[in-house]
Amino acid sequence: GESVGLHLPTLSVQEGDNSIINCAYSNSASDYFIWYKQESGKGPQFIIDIRSNMDKRQGQRVTVLLNKTVKHLSLQIAATQPGDSAVYFCAERGGYNKLIFGAGTRLAVHP
Amino acid sequence: GAVVSQHPSWVICKSGTSVKIECRSLDFQATTMFWYRQFPKQSLMLMATSNEGSKATYEQGVEKDKFLINHASLTLSTLTVTSAHPEDSSFYICSARADSYTIYFGEGSWLTVV
Repeated sequence: GESVGLHLPTLSVQEGDNSIINCAYSNSASDYFIWYKQESGKGPQFIIDIRSNMDKRQGQRVTVLLNKTVKHLSLQIAATQPGDSAVYFCAERGGYNKLIFGAGTRLAVHP
Repeated sequence: GAVVSQHPSWVICKSGTSVKIECRSLDFQATTMFWYRQFPKQSLMLMATSNEGSKATYEQGVEKDKFLINHASLTLSTLTVTSAHPEDSSFYICSARADSYTIYFGEGSWLTVV
């Protein structure tokens, strides 16, 4: 398999603060990237995506930044809410349209 | 919107038996589906790419004879875990590709082998 992490790093933030979750991807040829949110016991939920010809894309309360030079992706969540608590994964689309997931980050939002 | 459905949501089976998990695209046709496995506190690991009407493509290290994948129609792919053992207990997730940039995930299936 690929991109299997042994431990999920945790980002703890206060409710109302902004959160930044980072991801390093592996394949410089990947042309499409997605951020997913996964709640306990559920499948991944699409948050936002970005194509490789862009370096920034904004959604509602979320922004994705792509730095192809260093193969880095970040997800910014504005005014983080308790409902944002989950595990966040970045995924890159490589050969044969396969989505390969990063190790994931657990976001814990405290009141 | 489009939905991908997995069945069963959870299953318990005895060691040595086989168990089948279904993945259906409910309102779109999917020529390509993907199967992932996820262990607790870990990421999703791609197991195989399921192509309608042809053999699945397995990732390195995934036993094709143990994890049988069939994609007999444009809306259904099945994963059969053969001769299951406790170490196969995991969360299995499928996804279906609707178009070049749209992939929908199922809600996952919990497998416990006792």
